[in-house]
Amino acid sequence: DVKVTQSSRYLVKRTGEKVFLECVQDMDHENMFWYRQDPGLGLRLIYFSYDVKMKEKGDIPEGYSVSREKKERFSLILESASTNQTSMYLCASSSTTGLGDTEAFFGQGTRLTVV
Amino acid sequence: GENVEQHPSTLSVQEGDSAVIKCTYSDSASNYFPWYKQELGKRPQLIIDIRSNVGEKKDQRIAVTLNKTAKHFSLHITETQPEDSAVYFCAAMDTGRRALTFGSGTRLQVQP
Repeated sequence: DVKVTQSSRYLVKRTGEKVFLECVQDMDHENMFWYRQDPGLGLRLIYFSYDVKMKEKGDIPEGYSVSREKKERFSLILESASTNQTSMYLCASSSTTGLGDTEAFFGQGTRLTVV
Repeated sequence: GENVEQHPSTLSVQEGDSAVIKCTYSDSASNYFPWYKQELGKRPQLIIDIRSNVGEKKDQRIAVTLNKTAKHFSLHITETQPEDSAVYFCAAMDTGRRALTFGSGTRLQVQP
């Protein structure tokens, strides 16, 4: 059973704090993703990674960075948290086969509130 | 980059009726189109997907159709049940970026 685990279910942080969101997957997937989910906007891609130490910007990377030091772990960093970063953050992972890209498996989400 | 539009944003049907959700995409290079279901308080989970080399795929009460020429794809749920109530997201993956772009979601409510 594939597991994508996010370190926290709920977080409350203060404006200006540096925030770390951690994600670990146990399926040896090459690809990992960070999305944020807001009502009416769906899931928007922040950053993604095809391999260790590789990262690509998504559609809304401003104010965020990522780290992938190990294949199973992908961290999202809010350099200086702001109230407009209050959101649900979802991590996902997938593999790439000879047929192409495969199903993305999601973590349970982290509800971040910045006050 | 890819842009995915999804309609309607909310859909209410009577139990036993059919439900249809439609999505359009912008990038003709996209070749993978999954649909995810997200129940309240839970993570999105894949319910069905289709690749660009086929036009239709079925799995019991769920089917997806793809029209590459028009760049749109649809989810069809027949004989809806209360447990089908959830938010449904369509997505498209382009070969260049290899990351899913999601639609804005459809909240489906099945009335008993």
